[in-house]
Amino acid sequence: DGGITQSPKYLFRKEGQNVTLSCEQNLNHDAMYWYRQDPGQGLRLIYYSQIVNDFQKGDIAEGYSVSREKKESFPLTVTSAQKNPTAFYLCASSMGLAGDTQYFGPGTRLTVL
Amino acid sequence: AQRVTQPEKLLSVFKGAPVELKCNYSYSGSPELFWYVQYSRQRLQLLLRHISRESIKGFTADLNKGETSFHLKKPFAQEEDSAMYYCALRGGFKTIFGAGTRLFVKA
Repeated sequence: DGGITQSPKYLFRKEGQNVTLSCEQNLNHDAMYWYRQDPGQGLRLIYYSQIVNDFQKGDIAEGYSVSREKKESFPLTVTSAQKNPTAFYLCASSMGLAGDTQYFGPGTRLTVL
Repeated sequence: AQRVTQPEKLLSVFKGAPVELKCNYSYSGSPELFWYVQYSRQRLQLLLRHISRESIKGFTADLNKGETSFHLKKPFAQEEDSAMYYCALRGGFKTIFGAGTRLFVKA
C-alpha cells in the first residue's frame, strides 16, 4: 500500500457541522477524484480535478466542496447542505484523465450522528 | 447516457467451477472498459482493462461491442477470488462504475 492516503479512517459528525476529509498522493499524478460508495450503488463521482487549481463537479456534487491548491492534495469538505452524508468516501488518482487506471485510497467512513 | 449494469449483486460458486461476472454498458462512443476488484480489508484496485487484452489471476474479459458487454470470466474459481468486483466504463473525463457483484467461492 501507500501512494494514496486518506484520513481519518473513521469520522463522526454532528448534524449541521462541516467536515473535511483528507486525501494525499505521492504518485505525481495530475488527476484526482472523490467518490462516494453506498451499498448497492457502486461508486458515484463527487468531484474531480485534472490539474492544480482546477476541479469539476461530478454526478453528485451538491453539498460537497473541494480544493486543489497542491498537486499532492485534494481535500473534500462535506457541508451541512449534504442531506445524506453518511457513507464511505474513496479518493483516487491517475496520471491523466483519458483512459488511465485509477489508484484508490483506503477510504474514510463518515457517520453523521 | 453512460451506464454500467451488473445484474448480479451476489454470485456464489464452488471452488473449481467456472465463473462469469456479467457487465453490460451503454455508451455512444468508443468506451474503455475496466474491471476493478476489492478484496476483504484491502483497497479497490484494477484487475484488468480491455485494451490490455491480458489475463490477470486467470481472469479474462472480452469487449463485445455488438452486445455492449464486458463479462469477466475465469475457468476455475479459487477461494481467494472471493471479493467485490466492479465493472467500470471510461468515457471522456469520467469513469462510471457499476453497482458491483460480490463473488463468493465456496470450498
